[in-house]
Amino acid sequence: NAGVTQTPKFRILKIGQSMTLQCAQDMNHNYMYWYRQDPGMGLKLIYYSVGAGITDKGEVPNGYNVSRSTTEDFPLRLELAAPSQTSVYFCASSYTSTGGDGYTFGSGTRLTVV
Amino acid sequence: ELKVEQNPLFLSMQEGKNYTIYCNYSTTSDRLYWYRQDPGKSLESLFVLLSNGAVKQEGRLMASLDTKARLSTLHITAAVHDLSATYFCAVDIRRSGGSQGNLIFGKGTKLSVKP
Repeated sequence: NAGVTQTPKFRILKIGQSMTLQCAQDMNHNYMYWYRQDPGMGLKLIYYSVGAGITDKGEVPNGYNVSRSTTEDFPLRLELAAPSQTSVYFCASSYTSTGGDGYTFGSGTRLTVV
Repeated sequence: ELKVEQNPLFLSMQEGKNYTIYCNYSTTSDRLYWYRQDPGKSLESLFVLLSNGAVKQEGRLMASLDTKARLSTLHITAAVHDLSATYFCAVDIRRSGGSQGNLIFGKGTKLSVKP
């Protein structure tokens, strides 16, 4: 059971560079989420998706974009990396819209912008 | 502004002792989650609390939810070193006008259990 798979695990970017964080789940979950975790803090929601072709902003969407062309994949795009985007990024998925069965998290991508 | 406050943020305990972590939140919600995170790792789901008065237990951990008081507790019984980790509570709120949930996390409680 793969669950939620994130790649890469680590990345260093220079200011102004772009990159895409990949997220894939094999549980046929409709609902997928991107969170960021800053040091010593809880997670904050960046974007979420309720199904293929449908996405919406979370608490901290500025500087990010997402797309959802398939049920399985939910990539997160950083267009112009800034030091403030240094963080650990977690992708998650859930079966229901309110996570009644719980949310499943990926192993995270640790991103440093220098 | 919605706030989810955990206390304490740091907890150092001896093996064999009992302690409780508190999670207060500032808005109406009837769904609350507890997660465990080991250093450099992802979040592991511990408990899903879906109604007022819900109580769940797994091993040395027991979680409860009081939606009227907007309070959840995570009680640790006879702590062992393997419980050392950071514990997060997260409140599930409904986005205005819709049914989509949104997890709001506390800052976490870093637990260290010493022999």
